[in-house]
Amino acid sequence: AQSVSQHNHHVILSEAASLELGCNYSYGGTVNLFWYVQYPGQHLQLLLKYFSGDPLVKGIKGFEAEFIKSKFSFNLRKPSVQWSDTAEYFCAVKDSGGYQKVTFGTGTKLQVIP
Amino acid sequence: GAVVSQHPSWVICKSGTSVKIECRSLDFQATTMFWYRQFPKQSLMLMATSNEGSKATYEQGVEKDKFLINHASLTLSTLTVTSAHPEDSSFYICSALTGGGRNSPLHFGNGTRLTVT
Repeated sequence: AQSVSQHNHHVILSEAASLELGCNYSYGGTVNLFWYVQYPGQHLQLLLKYFSGDPLVKGIKGFEAEFIKSKFSFNLRKPSVQWSDTAEYFCAVKDSGGYQKVTFGTGTKLQVIP
Repeated sequence: GAVVSQHPSWVICKSGTSVKIECRSLDFQATTMFWYRQFPKQSLMLMATSNEGSKATYEQGVEKDKFLINHASLTLSTLTVTSAHPEDSSFYICSALTGGGRNSPLHFGNGTRLTVT
């Protein structure tokens, strides 16, 4: 069974600080990896995704994530956060085989202080 | 594109009654939809996978007879919480694959806040 672990539950940063949110997964097969964001009062939105190829993927709003296969990690980064980045971030892994099941991490709540 | 509409956005019902939640893909056909449940301060828990024209696949621990899922068309899946109890109060979220092959992300509805009194 696949599982996803997000180490940081709540992160507080000042504007312009750099961000890195950890995500580790466990699964024996080929996976697709995602980061979703949930702004207050809104639904989940796709931030970025990795399927294959370049392990460094760039998403919307200046976010990027790096897939390190040997570490089973897919950490999310942003060089300089803004107040509008305050949200909850979920890492997710999808079994790229027939079942297509998506498993989410427990989420990291990011609070950016102006 | 890839809009998923979920209705209602919130519902309050009395214990013992049933509630139906609809999930529609507005601008694409979704052969596969997923139903999640999100508890406060916790992650999304996959309840079941809904496949058009066939029976849903439920995750371990999810009661099939309590959470009835119907995926009658390529654009609509419904979740019915039968004989609801206060412990069923939660945030239910549907999502759909756009059908763009294996390399397609999930697109989510806005969720339904269910409160059972």
